[in-house]
This record gives sequence, C-alpha cells and structure tokens, in this order.
Amino acid sequence: ERVMTQSPATLSVSLGERANLSCRASQTVNRNLAWYQQKPGQAPRLLIYDASARATGIPARFSGSGSGTEFTLTISSLQSEDFAVYYCHQYNSWPLTFGQGTRLEIK
Amino acid sequence: EVQVLESGGALEQPGGSLRLSCVVSGFTFSDHAMTWVRQAPGKGLEWVSAISGSGSRTYYADSVKGRFVISRDNSNNKVHLQMNSLRAEDTAVYYCANRKFDDFGPLEYWGPGSLVTVSS
Repeated sequence: ERVMTQSPATLSVSLGERANLSCRASQTVNRNLAWYQQKPGQAPRLLIYDASARATGIPARFSGSGSGTEFTLTISSLQSEDFAVYYCHQYNSWPLTFGQGTRLEIK
Repeated sequence: EVQVLESGGALEQPGGSLRLSCVVSGFTFSDHAMTWVRQAPGKGLEWVSAISGSGSRTYYADSVKGRFVISRDNSNNKVHLQMNSLRAEDTAVYYCANRKFDDFGPLEYWGPGSLVTVSS
C-alpha cells in the first residue's frame, strides 16, 4: 500500500500570500496524483490531477508539481474561499489512498 | 450538468446491514468506473470500493473485504454498496464518485454523501 504523507498538518497564511502544501508517497506513484479541496459539510472537489493538470473550472492560482514520490500544491494568492482542508490522493495502484489532509487557515 | 446523489444511509445496529445507492446523470455512466469513499466524523478520506465501467472488476479495501459488495446497474445509471456485518468503525459519510478516465484516473465528480451510523 502506498502511504501518502502530507505536511504540514495545519498551515496559517495571510490573504493574498502564497501557500505551498506538500505530499509524499511511500513508493513512486509516477504522476498519478490528485489534489482535492474540502470545505466543512461539503464533498471533496477535484482541483488537480496527473500531478499538474487543473480540473474543469479551477482558477489558475492553483497549480501542482512533482512526480514520483514528492508533490506540491501551490496556491499563488490566497482568497478567502481557499481556506479549507486539502487532500492528496494517489490513483497509481490499488488500494487507492489519500493523505491525511492539510488544513489551510487564515493567519 | 453532472449530478451524483447518494441515498440509503441510516442508523443501524452493529452486525446489521444497509444498502447504499448512488444515481448519476450528465455523463455516459457505463464509460466510467465508480468508487465509494468514506469519511468518519472529523477524520480524513478512506477509499472503500470500486467497480469497473462494465461491472466485471471489483476492488475492496481490506477493512471492508468480505463484508461489503459493490455492484452497478448501467441501464439505470446506478451503483450500489451492500454493507453487511456492520461495525461501529463503519460509521462515516459515504461518498460516491466516478473515475475521470474510464477505469482509471482521479475521482472527478462527487455526491454530497450519505451518513451511515452504526450504533446500538
């Protein structure tokens, strides 16, 4: 099983600043890595897939990078609606696995 | 517009059974694998089960193998999760989602979830 580890657990950032969220896989997942955003009481929403491709309707301030075992989600200029929990997810192999999440909060 | 909607969640006693259903519209259902993902209260996401577009291949997390059964009805755009021998640790919101690329890819469209509570 590929264990996904996200860091930090909580990230405090000011409005308009940049946020970098990290995700590490215990074994290579190639570029088969997605990022989701989840707000309280809502389902997760797909942001990034194939490590760096933006899903439909996702603003350009969200970008993804990495391959193999190290990945980053960058939000270039934080808006109020971006404060949420973010999960990485590998779909390279079974079982599908998720990171434990990074909570992005307003500083 | 794509719509995904789960139903069937309820309060059930330990050892009991529940059947969750998910109905989809807005894309060619049989072209996509479907998955169930759960989220225990205050916790992260856990993949539960998946089924290929044709229904010929099924996959399960070790935590539910032998107790849960996934199936699909392509004529009615539905996927089901039969949950047997329920345990307290199965308490969670259960989400249904499609895989973006046929039988592969990320989880693209998610329903709002259905709450399953296992308690005596």
